[in-house]
This record gives sequence, C-alpha cells and structure tokens, in this order.
Amino acid sequence: AQSVTQLGSHVSVSEGALVLLRCNYSSSVPPYLFWYVQYPNQGLQLLLKYTSAATLVKGINGFEAEFKKSETSFHLTKPSAHMSDAAEYFCAVRRAGANSKLTFGKGITLSVRP
Amino acid sequence: NAGVTQTPKFQVLKTGQSMTLQCAQDMNHEYMSWYRQDPGMGLRLIHYSVGAGITDQGEVPNGYNVSRSTTEDFPLRLLSAAPSQTSVYFCASSSSGGQGDYEQYFGPGTRLTVT
Repeated sequence: AQSVTQLGSHVSVSEGALVLLRCNYSSSVPPYLFWYVQYPNQGLQLLLKYTSAATLVKGINGFEAEFKKSETSFHLTKPSAHMSDAAEYFCAVRRAGANSKLTFGKGITLSVRP
Repeated sequence: NAGVTQTPKFQVLKTGQSMTLQCAQDMNHEYMSWYRQDPGMGLRLIHYSVGAGITDQGEVPNGYNVSRSTTEDFPLRLLSAAPSQTSVYFCASSSSGGQGDYEQYFGPGTRLTVT
C-alpha cells in the first residue's frame, strides 16, 4: 500500500519569502514521487518528479524538491515566492512497475501576500 | 498533440439521470484513469484501465461505470446521478513502463453538478 501525507491545508507566505510545502509518503517499494500544481479552475500541471535518479529535483517556475529516503519525505521549496505561485499543490506517489496507481495527498493551498 | 481531452466542460444533471463523460488521448498511452476532486479530499481514483479491454476499480467506484474499447478513449458513465456525485472529474493518461515514464497527463476537467 502507498499513501501521501501533506500536513496542513493552507500555507500563506509573503511575496519574496521562502516557500516550503511538506510531503511525506509511505510505500513498500521504491516510489516515484510527483508534485502537481493546480491554478484556479484549471487542470493539474506537473511541477517536477522524482524517478530514482538525482535526489534533488528541479522543476518549472523555480521550484525544487529533495527526496529523502531516511525521512520518507519529498518537500517542495522555492527560494522566493511570487504572486503567481498562488495555487493548490498536490504531492503524489506511484510505485515503480507497470500498471501501478497514482495516489494523491489532499493538497495544500498556497497564498502569497503582497 | 491535443494531449488529454474531456467533454463536456460543465454539466448539470437532475437526480436519477444518467450521462457519459468523455475522455480521449492521442499519446498512445496504455494507462488511463478517472479521478474526482472534492474540496479538502484531494483527488480520488474512481476507475482505471491498463489497456484496451482491461479496467479495474479505484478508491471510489460506486455509481460509476467504465469501458475501454480502444486505446484512445475511456468514457465514464454515471448510471443514476446523485447529489453526492457533484464534483470535478479529471481524466488522466500515462505510459505504463520505462524509466521516468510514469508521469500522468491530465485533462482540463468536467465540472458536474447534480441537483
């Protein structure tokens, strides 16, 4: 079985501040991990993914995430928040292997204050 | 490539009505899935398919039916709509093998209201 925990449902930061969105996973086998972003009234867009290569993954829009196996974490960070980063962010896990399912966390809404 | 397309974008149904949400992809992906998104619940898997003729249930399958007659299409049927099925529905597809090929591509969603 696999699961994802995203602590908190809402994070608010000031423009220019560090963004840190937490994600912890459980998986009985080595996982593939993803962060998706959803802007209001839109579909999901992939920010970045971990697929067992480099543990520090860089994505679009200046976001990055680090896979830490010992902590079973895959936290998303961005050094300096921009107003356009306001959105909902989902962490997801999928086991390696054909036909495995993608399991999502409940999502975190990021607000950016001017 | 159009990617993953969904129709309709919006739909209002009365309780008891049935309808089909359409999903198509042009990336020759084997794996397709349907999710529903509700506030505070994230995305929950309804049904999925690993290839033409093969479907299976996800986390919340009750009240929904699927079939997969072609690689491209994966329609979702609501058999008898209920207010609890008011939600936003997303279809997604991915290849099912190979290094780094597990990324799911999402359609734009269908916003369904059942009154």
